[in-house]
Amino acid sequence: RKEVEQDPGPFNVPEGATVAFNCTYSNSASQSFFWYRQDCRKEPKLLMSVYSSGNEDGRFTAQLNRASQYISLLIRDSKLSDSATYLCVVIGEDSNYQLIWGAGTKLIIKP
Amino acid sequence: EAGVAQSPRYKIIEKRQSVAFWCNPISGHATLYWYQQILGQGPKLLIQFQNNGVVDDSQLPKDRFSAERLKGVDSTLKIQPAKLEDSAVYLCASSLRSAGGDTDTQYFGPGTRLTVL
Repeated sequence: RKEVEQDPGPFNVPEGATVAFNCTYSNSASQSFFWYRQDCRKEPKLLMSVYSSGNEDGRFTAQLNRASQYISLLIRDSKLSDSATYLCVVIGEDSNYQLIWGAGTKLIIKP
Repeated sequence: EAGVAQSPRYKIIEKRQSVAFWCNPISGHATLYWYQQILGQGPKLLIQFQNNGVVDDSQLPKDRFSAERLKGVDSTLKIQPAKLEDSAVYLCASSLRSAGGDTDTQYFGPGTRLTVL
């Protein structure tokens, strides 16, 4: 089992719809979680951190489920510009704070 | 604020040749990361520096890859000799971090796209 797993997609979603995808992790001791966005042929950029209590930033909501060991990202009222690959990052609690990246979920918003 | 700088942006070499990449992190960022991203995959951490010390290089193929961060600022990543499977984008990132929380945010450079023929 991979340490961090994501459905590669692509998720084809009509503009204005709501879409959600998950990222599962295997290390129960993981402490920090993030969602990054990567546009085609560009570098990843931080979308949002994921806090234990969940957090919301405009149309984006991130949640953490420690019991089931996954984080989720919900995008409401999707825009064409949301088309990208969404990568989750999990950081362990060991002294090296090892970073593990998922392979990403590709999202395509269609007009 | 200036971002992470990388050069070159593109490099084409033949297998068994050597190549070097350069990264200049955001000023004041203690941690520097080198990643390899193969098309269709997420970034794979090659090496992580905290100032000029290596924190994690467990996934660095040390028989051919080497990296250094002199004076805790700029860093170079070298491949010698290159193989076909080294074709990828090499991303450099930096973060303030020395503890958890928001300082974990990584800022990426534009990457170097390496093609090995």
